[in-house]
This record gives sequence, structure tokens and C-alpha cells, in this order.
Amino acid sequence: AAGVIQSPRHLIKEKRETATLKCYPIPRHDTVYWYQQGPGQDPQFLISFYEKMQSDKGSIPDRFSAQQFSDYHSELNMSSLELGDSALYFCASSLGLQEGNIQYFGAGTRLSVL
Amino acid sequence: AQKVTQAQTEISVVEKEDVTLDCVYETRDTTYYLFWYKQPPSGELVFLIRRNSFDEQNEISGRYSWNFQKSTSSFNFTITASQVVDSAVYFCALDGATNKLIFGTGTLLAVQP
Repeated sequence: AAGVIQSPRHLIKEKRETATLKCYPIPRHDTVYWYQQGPGQDPQFLISFYEKMQSDKGSIPDRFSAQQFSDYHSELNMSSLELGDSALYFCASSLGLQEGNIQYFGAGTRLSVL
Repeated sequence: AQKVTQAQTEISVVEKEDVTLDCVYETRDTTYYLFWYKQPPSGELVFLIRRNSFDEQNEISGRYSWNFQKSTSSFNFTITASQVVDSAVYFCALDGATNKLIFGTGTLLAVQP
């Protein structure tokens, strides 16, 4: 079965650079979520989209923005990168209540800011 | 406020032992979902099990079983006859009215051969 696809898997950036992370949800899934997992920590919710509209926002820095496109893929844009942005970034998708709100996660993008 | 507590930071067992991972949650929502996810050393997050707040029936799925008790706000997860491949960090998570996952801090399970 198709899973959530994230690219790139690894990304190395310098401080103050920008980064774009991409997410391709499971086909037919209408909701996309982004989470950030720092080293040794649990994943923290950043932002979500339902049917291409932003549905909820967590503790996402103003330097970050995200959107969901007409083909349902989503991109997380990160500007003015800081050392503290180094983390594993997960995208998840779901069918909402149709499937018991189960969120399926991609393999993640490991961002290292030097 | 919503909160998930996994008091066990690390657990070490020998292969074939049974192991139970504890999870206690807090929520004011009347409808909510509880999940267990597995994060192996490779880093991905793998969905394991889900339970909604209206269904306290406990189930067994292969070597996995779970015990959901609303009276104590607990959602414990048991692996029977553990294997080395079960070594991972296990996260308990809560999804309430906000429709986003609140994770516990995770339990690192090490299964020794």
C-alpha cells in the first residue's frame, strides 16, 4: 500500500539559509499534518491542513510557513534557519473520522543546521 | 489541557519476556482517541494501535494487546514474547477535539537476545 512520501530524507543547511520540505500524502487522504521532533524528544505538532485549507496551528515559528497544493501535496518552508531548527520533521496524513483519526507518518526529513 | 504521561523512560527485557508499557492521559474532551506508535532506530513513526473513548473493550492482535481503562485514564500496551526487533521507542498519543496528536515522552524498550 502507498505510504506518506517525504523528501528529502536528509538536508544540511547553514544558519540563516532557507529550506523546503515536501510531503506527498497517502492517496485519498484529505488531511496533512507537520510535526517537529527534536533530539531525544517527542514529536510536536506544527500545523495541519484539511482539503487544502489550514485547519490548525501549533507552536510553529513565524519563520516557518506551509501550504497544501491542489494535488494535496504539502510543503513546509523554513527561513532564517537557526541551530535549534535541527530536528526530524514528520509529515502525516489521515482520512479523519472515516478511519478513526489514524495519522500515518512518513519516514521524516532529518534537517541539520550548521 | 491535554497531557500524556509515560513514566517509564527505559525498559530492558530479555527476549521472550512479556513487557507492558504504561500510559496515563489527561483530557476534558468526552470524545478522544488514543494511539500507540513505534519509532525504531531508523527513525520512522509506525502506527500500532488505536482506541476511541467509547470503546473500552481490550483486544489482542498477534503479540500486541492493550488495556484501556477510562476510570484510571490509562492505556497500557503489552508485547508478549518480546523479540529483538521490538527494540524501539514507543510513544503513546492522544487526539482529542483539537484533532492533533499529543505525544508522551516515549519509552525506550531494549530487548536483549
